[in-house]
Amino acid sequence: GNSVTQMEGPVTLSEEAFLTINCTYTATGYPSLFWYVQYPGEGLQLLLKATKADDKGSNKGFEATYRKETTSFHLEKGSVQVSDSAVYFCAPSGSARQLTFGSGTQLTVLP
Amino acid sequence: EADIYQTPRYLVIGTGKKITLECSQTMGHDKMYWYQQDPGMELHLIHYSYGVNSTEKGDLSSESTVSRIRTEHFPLTLESARPSHTSQYLCASRGNYGYTFGSGTRLTVV
Repeated sequence: GNSVTQMEGPVTLSEEAFLTINCTYTATGYPSLFWYVQYPGEGLQLLLKATKADDKGSNKGFEATYRKETTSFHLEKGSVQVSDSAVYFCAPSGSARQLTFGSGTQLTVLP
Repeated sequence: EADIYQTPRYLVIGTGKKITLECSQTMGHDKMYWYQQDPGMELHLIHYSYGVNSTEKGDLSSESTVSRIRTEHFPLTLESARPSHTSQYLCASRGNYGYTFGSGTRLTVV
């Protein structure tokens, strides 16, 4: 089955710092790749996705590029805000029709 | 605006009680899922459904059961709650553009 290895948290940054959360995956075939975000007290939301190699997903200033050669999908943001504090989940999805989640990375952004 | 609804948001219940966690979606999605998540931990798939009258167990062994009589409704039932069932339960559905999650039910069994 598909699986992910996600950068362990918690991650604490100052406002306007650069963010990288690493994610590598193992999968059969070429799955779509997703980043989900869970804000405090809310349900999971899709943050961005990429469906094929070299695709770049982007949303709310976050970006991630589907790297087939390194089986990675690292999440980046150039300047984080306090409102970005949340838990971030990397997930591949393939023909198994199930979503396999990583452990999540807690991000705290300090003003 | 949420398209998938879970009730209740919070539930505290005594050991041995039967409970049903409700999940409904208005998007017409065939695929629906139940996940369990402990604080700070990863999500674990406990049940999923590909459509009406289709239900499967997920990766995590669970003492719960589900039903899918209607496309929009995917309730999860615990026949006899135990303290080990204390967790957050997340319902999700999948369409062509990805997954939509409910806000979750935080269950505490005392």
